[in-house]
Amino acid sequence: SQTIHQWPATLVQPVGSPLSLECTVEGTSNPNLYWYRQAAGRGLQLLFYSVGIGQISSEVPQNLSASRPQDRQFILSSKKLLLSDSGFYLCAWTQGGAGGYTFGSGTRLTVV
Amino acid sequence: AQSVSQHNHHVILSEAASLELGCNYSYGGTVNLFWYVQYPGQHLQLLLKYFSGDPLVKGIKGFEAEFIKSKFSFNLRKPSVQWSDTAEYFCAVNARSSNTGKLIFGQGTTLQVKP
Repeated sequence: SQTIHQWPATLVQPVGSPLSLECTVEGTSNPNLYWYRQAAGRGLQLLFYSVGIGQISSEVPQNLSASRPQDRQFILSSKKLLLSDSGFYLCAWTQGGAGGYTFGSGTRLTVV
Repeated sequence: AQSVSQHNHHVILSEAASLELGCNYSYGGTVNLFWYVQYPGQHLQLLLKYFSGDPLVKGIKGFEAEFIKSKFSFNLRKPSVQWSDTAEYFCAVNARSSNTGKLIFGQGTTLQVKP
């Protein structure tokens, strides 16, 4: 069966520090992968998505970047965190095309 | 571009009351529609989805939603809510023709059910 792993669950980082959040999927190949940020009262905002290795599409301009070094690995990064980067980050996958997503358990990032 | 609007941001109901959460979307093509739920401290879970066929879709835990194409709506309903339905509910849409599968979410509705 397919599973999605996301870590860490909680992270507190100082302003200006780097960030690396990792997401991996098991039990499938060539998934579509997504990073979302959930902010209170603002729903889920799509940040990045990838339909294949090395392919990244960005939905909103921001201080973050994403990479997909392997088929089932999706990484969210920042060189220097801002206070506004605080939030709940969710990774998700779907098996190609249109369909429902499976979400990871999320990372609560607090930038102090 | 697609967009999703959920009209109610915060709903408070007593147990056994009926529920209807509004969802409207904006997109010129054919869409897939979803409702997700997030219980306190838990992951996002799929409640129900509509791809094609019968526009009245039944999901888990007694929830249902009706797709009304002419109104671009996909409202979520439950005839009698329980305290355990307290959660945040998200409507979402993606384009059926899309190979990216990008899912666009509404702002979410927080449902509080009083015992």
